[in-house]
Amino acid sequence: RKEVEQDPGPFNVPEGATVAFNCTYSNSASQSFFWYRQDCRKEPKLLMSVYSSGNEDGRFTAQLNRASQYISLLIRDSKLSDSATYLCVVNPQNDMRFGAGTRLTVKP
Amino acid sequence: GAVVSQHPSRVICKSGTSVKIECRSLDFQATTMFWYRQFPKQSLMLMATSNEGSKATYEQGVEKDKFLINHASLTLSTLTVTSAHPEDSSFYICSARTGGQGRNSPLHFGNGTRLTVT
Repeated sequence: RKEVEQDPGPFNVPEGATVAFNCTYSNSASQSFFWYRQDCRKEPKLLMSVYSSGNEDGRFTAQLNRASQYISLLIRDSKLSDSATYLCVVNPQNDMRFGAGTRLTVKP
Repeated sequence: GAVVSQHPSRVICKSGTSVKIECRSLDFQATTMFWYRQFPKQSLMLMATSNEGSKATYEQGVEKDKFLINHASLTLSTLTVTSAHPEDSSFYICSARTGGQGRNSPLHFGNGTRLTVT
């Protein structure tokens, strides 16, 4: 089993749609969790950290379920500029483990 | 915000040559830096953890004699791909944490190096 697994996608949605991504992790000792976005042929950029109580940043909401070992990312009112690959990142030790990413394409 | 600078951004080299990639933390000290590799349409794979003043820790399956890592200062880590072959062609990305080795702090990435070995 992979350490971090994500919906493979791709997700193709119209502008304004709400889309959700899920990610599961295998190491129950993981302490910190993040969502990154990666544009084509670019480095990943931090989108948001994921806190135990869930957190929101504008149109983006992240949630963590430690019991089930999954995190989620919800994007509301999606924009064309949201098109990217979204990476789930989990920190089991002093390193970071990345999911394979979920590709999102928002269409006009 | 924290800035990690990586150089070069793109390199094309002939098979058998060596390539050095530099990763610098510009506005913070990084005792630990991480080197990742990403093949097309695949996720980032951790290659090694670079520790300032000591030997790097390599992930299983990564040849330490082929991918030489040097972390001589708190702001610079280098990755040298020795005797490069076409199968080493990939996107190499370094990253570092702000906040020392705090496990809850996110990673900041360099802009990556696209290596093509002909």
